Amino acid sequence: ETGVTQTPRHLVMGMTNKKSLKCEQHLGHNAMYWYKQSAKKPLELMFVYNFKEQTENNSVPSRFSPECPNSSHLFLHLHTLQPEDSALYLCASSQAQNSPTDTQYFGPGTRLTVL
Amino acid sequence: QKEVEQNSGPLSVPEGAIASLNCTYSDRGSQSFFWYRQYSGKSPELIMSIYSNGDKEDGRFTAQLNKASQYVSLLIRDSQPSDSATYLCAVLNTGGFKTIFGAGTRLFVKA
Repeated sequence: ETGVTQTPRHLVMGMTNKKSLKCEQHLGHNAMYWYKQSAKKPLELMFVYNFKEQTENNSVPSRFSPECPNSSHLFLHLHTLQPEDSALYLCASSQAQNSPTDTQYFGPGTRLTVL
Repeated sequence: QKEVEQNSGPLSVPEGAIASLNCTYSDRGSQSFFWYRQYSGKSPELIMSIYSNGDKEDGRFTAQLNKASQYVSLLIRDSQPSDSATYLCAVLNTGGFKTIFGAGTRLFVKA
C-alpha cells in the first residue's frame, strides 16, 4: 500500500451505534489530520496530531474521539452521532506540522451517513 | 469575513482557453499558499504551492501571489475537459499551525 489509506470507504450508522474510522499513512510522515467535508462547505479541520501528540482540537463535539497510537495510524471513534454529522471524513498526513512548506496528502475519505 | 474566500462558481471555459481562479485571505501573516484539485467523489490532491510574491509556473499551471493585496490566483492555460474539477485554495496561517481551506471553485471546461 502506498500513500494514505482509509477504511471503511462508506459507512452507514444509526444514531446509537459506535463505529471507528481508520487511517494509515505509508509516507513516513509525522503529522496526521482529520477533516470533515460537507456539501458546499469548506474543509473543516477537526483534529491534528504532530509526532503522536494532539495539537489541535477545533471545537469538535465529544461524540468524535480521535486516537493516534503511532505516527502511521489515526482513528476517529464515533458514538451517538447526529444526522448532521453525515459527511465525507478525510484523513491527511504531512511531514510535520508548522513547516512552512508542508504539503498535506489526503486519503480517499470515508463517506459517512447517519440515519 | 471568511478566512479564505473563493468564488464558488461554476466557472465555465471552452477547451483551450485560460481558466483564472481567484482566492483572497484574511490572515496577513500567512506565509504558505496551496492549490488543491478535487474531482467529484475524490479527495483533494495538491497541484501547486507558492510561498513568495510573484508567479510560479508548473506546466500549464501558474500560481500568482500578492501578499500586499492578500490575493492568490491560479491560471490554467490550454484548459482541457479533464481539468473540470473543484479547485481548493488553502492558506497556512501565521505560525504554521493550521491550514485553512476555501470552499472551492467549480471549474467546467467545455469540449
